[in-house]
Amino acid sequence: NAGVTQTPKFRILKIGQSMTLQCTQDMNHNYMYWYRQDPGMGLKLIYYSVGAGITDKGEVPNGYNVSRSTTEDFPLRLELAAPSQTSVYFCASRLEFSNEQFFGPGTRLTVL
Amino acid sequence: AQRVTQPEKLLSVFKGAPVELKCNYSYSGSPELFWYVQYSRQRLQLLLRHISRESIKGFTADLNKGETSFHLKKPFAQEEDSAMYYCALNPNTDKLIFGTGTRLQVFP
Repeated sequence: NAGVTQTPKFRILKIGQSMTLQCTQDMNHNYMYWYRQDPGMGLKLIYYSVGAGITDKGEVPNGYNVSRSTTEDFPLRLELAAPSQTSVYFCASRLEFSNEQFFGPGTRLTVL
Repeated sequence: AQRVTQPEKLLSVFKGAPVELKCNYSYSGSPELFWYVQYSRQRLQLLLRHISRESIKGFTADLNKGETSFHLKKPFAQEEDSAMYYCALNPNTDKLIFGTGTRLQVFP
């Protein structure tokens, strides 16, 4: 099993550009999460999903969108990139009856 | 409000010294607490959870409901313990609440 995979690893965007961060897991986990990690701020939850077709906002959803059309994939969309979205983004997943989250390697995004 | 507080951003010790990474939580119910670790250039991974009451890599953490704490301890730090440590709370929802993290540096 590859676990949780994320692409790309790094990306530089210009202000106003759009992009999609990809997240895929091959563990048949129902629950998936997107976090951003900022220095000194810990991990903040952006969006999460409890299953295909179901998504919900986390703590910091503004400026982002998600979809969950399959169990495996949970892409995160940035529509109009802003410098405040410069961060490291982590995707995670877990089984329904376990609270252990499995994390991807992260995507480092810089918006200039 | 539900919150996890890790008061130290950075903790530096010498190899062989005892380590205690502090974590306090704010939650009125019965919490489920975790410690996650992120080694350099690696992904975040679960270190231990309070319900399992186990020792992983020499680390232990005891839930103290009276003091609302879940401090992570190790009697003798090793250089390979250098990493970022996050305390996390599951307040009986689908989500985890993470603290801001403590960077542990172990010097030789």
